[in-house]
Amino acid sequence: DAGVIQSPRHEVTEMGQEVTLRCKPISGHNSLFWYRQTMMRGLELLIYFNNNVPIDDSGMPEDRFSAKMPNASFSTLKIQPSEPRDSAVYFCASSFWESEQPQHFGDGTRLSIL
Amino acid sequence: KNQVEQSPQSLIILEGKNCTLQCNYTVSPFSNLRWYKQDTGRGPVSLTIMTFSENTKSNGRYTATLDADTKQSSLHITASQLSDSASYICVVEGSNYKLTFGKGTLLTVNP
Repeated sequence: DAGVIQSPRHEVTEMGQEVTLRCKPISGHNSLFWYRQTMMRGLELLIYFNNNVPIDDSGMPEDRFSAKMPNASFSTLKIQPSEPRDSAVYFCASSFWESEQPQHFGDGTRLSIL
Repeated sequence: KNQVEQSPQSLIILEGKNCTLQCNYTVSPFSNLRWYKQDTGRGPVSLTIMTFSENTKSNGRYTATLDADTKQSSLHITASQLSDSASYICVVEGSNYKLTFGKGTLLTVNP
């Protein structure tokens, strides 16, 4: 079975540029999560969706960040304009919308903003 | 404030030895506690999930314990292998399916 698929795996861009990260969740999962991981702060939840609807975006750092889930099989996380402090690994995860269900993570996008 | 603290931050052991990783949490209300393994350059992978009523759960050579009264959990790895080298992350689910993550313990298993 295909797991959560993220693209690109690596992204290097200059500050001020728009960055779009993509995620394809596991088929049948109805919840999708975007996380950011840094050495200093560990894993942080940015936003999550249930049945394609954003439920909690309180973790989104500022208005430069936006996320969409136009359908059950695709989500994007966009940063515009990007800044060097946005450099991190961004993970997407999906699960069934029930307690005690494991979240299945993609392998992340390593983002470097120069 | 909901927090998950893990210790030690890093640990080096020899192949074949056992080790125990610790996790203390202040998340309330509590729904369940999870342990994830994260290999370098990969996403976290779920090892165990324990609810309030469970005090131990095993997954192969991995055994997790939970003391909900003291809000402590441990992950015990038996007969370590080189492939166990990874970061181990303790995660607590609170209300509304929200997860609070620890910063992880980096385990290195040397031959």
